[in-house]
Amino acid sequence: AQKVTQAQTEISVVEKEDVTLDCVYETRDTTYYLFWYKQPPSGELVFLIRRNSFDEQNEISGRYSWNFQKSTSSFNFTITASQVVDSAVYFCALSEAAGDRGSTLGRLYFGRGTQLTVWP
Amino acid sequence: SQTIHQWPATLVQPVGSPLSLECTVEGTSNPNLYWYRQAAGRGLQLLFYSVGIGQISSEVPQNLSASRPQDRQFILSSKKLLLSDSGFYLCAGTGAGAYGYTFGSGTRLTVV
Repeated sequence: AQKVTQAQTEISVVEKEDVTLDCVYETRDTTYYLFWYKQPPSGELVFLIRRNSFDEQNEISGRYSWNFQKSTSSFNFTITASQVVDSAVYFCALSEAAGDRGSTLGRLYFGRGTQLTVWP
Repeated sequence: SQTIHQWPATLVQPVGSPLSLECTVEGTSNPNLYWYRQAAGRGLQLLFYSVGIGQISSEVPQNLSASRPQDRQFILSSKKLLLSDSGFYLCAGTGAGAYGYTFGSGTRLTVV
């Protein structure tokens, strides 16, 4: 069964601090996909990143970076120089591959989310 | 590109009343569709998953049911709402070869 664990329920930082959100996942599949989403107070989900199970290359996008390590089944998310606008709930999620040769995304399982509050 | 339409945005229903939330999809044929619920302060729980018309997988036994009468229509229902059914309901979809998932704007249900 697929499982995503976000052990940090809430994190508070002061603006300009760096913050890392942890994500650990469990799956028996060899092909799978990992995601991070941001949920502002309005409720909609904002896509941040997708990572394939066969691509362990870390990624940086502006102040955001992601560290994917299959050896520890972790997909951590770091925000550098945090800003008040970064305050939101952040979800890590795991998707199974479906369809012919795993070409379609299947069920998507979310962690419980981490509430990040950035104080000015 | 795929668009998920979901309504209403907010809903207040008395305990014991029926529920019907509708989700429709634009831009993709034969999508995989999903219903999620987010209880207050909790994560997103997958409720139902559908790969086609009439094909529904239930992830969590509960007071709710889902149906897919048309390729691009996914309905979440209950015959009698419970207080514990309160939450934020999100419909999502993805298509063959899609890079990610598309989410609706959600329905905030309060059962009183």
